Amino acid sequence: NAGVTQTPKFQVLKTGQSMTLQCAQDMNHNSMYWYRQDPGMGLRLIYYSASEGTTDKGEVPNGYNVSRLNKREFSLRLESAAPSQTSVYFCASIRGGSGSYNEQFFGPGTRLTVL
Amino acid sequence: QQQVKQSPQSLIVQKGGIPIINCAYENTAFDYFPWYQQFPGKGPALLIAIRPDVSEKKEGRFTISFNKSAKQFSLHIMDSQPGDSATYFCAASIGGAQKLVFGQGTRLTINP
Repeated sequence: NAGVTQTPKFQVLKTGQSMTLQCAQDMNHNSMYWYRQDPGMGLRLIYYSASEGTTDKGEVPNGYNVSRLNKREFSLRLESAAPSQTSVYFCASIRGGSGSYNEQFFGPGTRLTVL
Repeated sequence: QQQVKQSPQSLIVQKGGIPIINCAYENTAFDYFPWYQQFPGKGPALLIAIRPDVSEKKEGRFTISFNKSAKQFSLHIMDSQPGDSATYFCAASIGGAQKLVFGQGTRLTINP
């Protein structure tokens, strides 16, 4: 049981390049999330998917797109990377639907640098 | 607008001391208040959580104190150990643990 896995672990991009961050969970969780972590800012929600086939914007969605490929996988795409998107990105998942108080499980993170 | 404000930003305590990390919130609709612990290079992991129907919750050496009227909650670590050195995040949500709003984080160092 690997939990939440993310690839890649590290990535360096040039301004304007695109890339997709991959996330997968093997816990049969319904909801999945993408956060970014910046010093002094805590974790901020980018996008989330409450269930397979649905996605919604979080607090900081600009410059990102997501795809809930199936129940296991939730990807985050940067179409045209900007230096302001330099951050550590975390994927998370949670069992149960709306109203559940279960734990959000986090992946190990992807450290992205945009030059 | 930061809905959950966390302090201090960093904290250094001697082994055996009791570090206290504080969080304040504005939205009275919040009904779930977890604390997450993050070690360097790792993702955050749930440490302890509280609902507003109780004023205190204890799990091992970790205690959450909750003050509903003041809209504040805090994390206390008893008999702190160097292995507790990590970044701690408070968070809050409404109607479940689905959409968490995180505080800014506190980097805690426990000196031997």
